[in-house]
Amino acid sequence: QVQLHESGPGLVRPSETLSLTCTVSGDSMNVQYWNWIRQPPGKGLEWIGYIYYSGSTSYNPSLKGRVAMSLDTLQSQFSLRLTSVTAADTAVYYCARGWAFEYWGQGALVTVSS
Amino acid sequence: EVVMTQSPATLSVSPGERATLSCRASRSVSTNLAWYQQKPGQAPRLLIHSASSRATGIPARFSGSGSGTEFTLTISSLQSEDFAIYYCQHYDNWPPWTFGQGTKVEI
Repeated sequence: QVQLHESGPGLVRPSETLSLTCTVSGDSMNVQYWNWIRQPPGKGLEWIGYIYYSGSTSYNPSLKGRVAMSLDTLQSQFSLRLTSVTAADTAVYYCARGWAFEYWGQGALVTVSS
Repeated sequence: EVVMTQSPATLSVSPGERATLSCRASRSVSTNLAWYQQKPGQAPRLLIHSASSRATGIPARFSGSGSGTEFTLTISSLQSEDFAIYYCQHYDNWPPWTFGQGTKVEI
């Protein structure tokens, strides 16, 4: 059974960097796309980007170069960094596997506030 | 960027009735289209991938159709547990992958 679990600080100050990690169990991480998706409170879903098992990445241009993803296959983890955050980055952040996202983490609420 | 437009925004139906949800893409995405169900406080759940293939464990009352720019999710006989928000999403070879704004299915 594939499981994903997000972890990281729940509160980030404006202008600082949001960092989250997704730990994967029940899967080897090979030949897969590993994604981050977010959902502001009461709003819809926004795809942030993916990191492929080879290390190649694709990011949503709406985030204007503020995003970076990394992969640690030995630890079965992949990570998200979002710089220069504002209140607009307050959201539940999900990690998910694939092109069509068959497996999701439970989500991590990150609040941007001073 | 492909814009995904869902209609209607809200669909009011009674248990046992059929529900038909629409999703339109601003350009062709072939059949690279997925549907998700989301209930309050939960992560989305994949229902349909490749426009018409049910994901593992999804009941047969959920069906998807379409290709190119027009897609439909049909719930043949609504059960109480089907009242939720439904999103479509494309995932073709040209990211960013985008979601529709969602359709709320309510009693």
